[in-house]
Amino acid sequence: SYVLTQPPSVSVAPGETARISCGGNNIGSKSVHWYQKKPGHAPVAVIYYDTDRPPGIPERFSGSNSGNTATLTITRVEAGDEADYYCQVWDSSSEHVVFGGGTKLTVL
Amino acid sequence: EVQLVESGGGLVQPGGSLRLSCVASGFTISSYWMSWVRQAPGKGLEWVASIKQDGREKFYVDSVKGRFTISRDTAQNSLYLQMNSLRAEDTALYYCTRGNSGIVYWGQGALVTVSS
Repeated sequence: SYVLTQPPSVSVAPGETARISCGGNNIGSKSVHWYQKKPGHAPVAVIYYDTDRPPGIPERFSGSNSGNTATLTITRVEAGDEADYYCQVWDSSSEHVVFGGGTKLTVL
Repeated sequence: EVQLVESGGGLVQPGGSLRLSCVASGFTISSYWMSWVRQAPGKGLEWVASIKQDGREKFYVDSVKGRFTISRDTAQNSLYLQMNSLRAEDTALYYCTRGNSGIVYWGQGALVTVSS
């Protein structure tokens, strides 16, 4: 089955840039979606289809996807960005939705 | 306004059954893939099952195949998850979602606890 690998944690100071990776075999051939998950709240899509932002998501959030790695980039990080972030794809070969293990973003 | 409201969660003994419901409003479920995604305590997001627009094609994570059944009632604009032979590891908050990828709309979640 298809596996998505994320770093368990990323730390960044306020105002800096956070980059969260999502590795998968030839992930560049798939559409990658990113979700922000805060305790007590439902997940929120922050990037879908590799690079698109859903309505209401700040321009500080961006995505890229090529080769074996997709990346979520958050510029000018704020305290409110502290959350768990998950990447996700649809694996057509197994007909499964796959989530990465999640990355805890800590704002120092 | 799109809304998804889950119900049916609760405490159940191992081996027991539970049926989750999700009432959708603001759109017609037969026009979209619909899915269930869960999060166990202290764990990450896990996809559970999806049903395609045609209502016939259904997909499941391997760990629930043969135990869980996703279904829908278009007249009630509702999605369901019948869960049988429940195990402790099925304990989680279950979210109803519109779509299976790039999911913008999520319910508030229904808590399922499997314990004796």
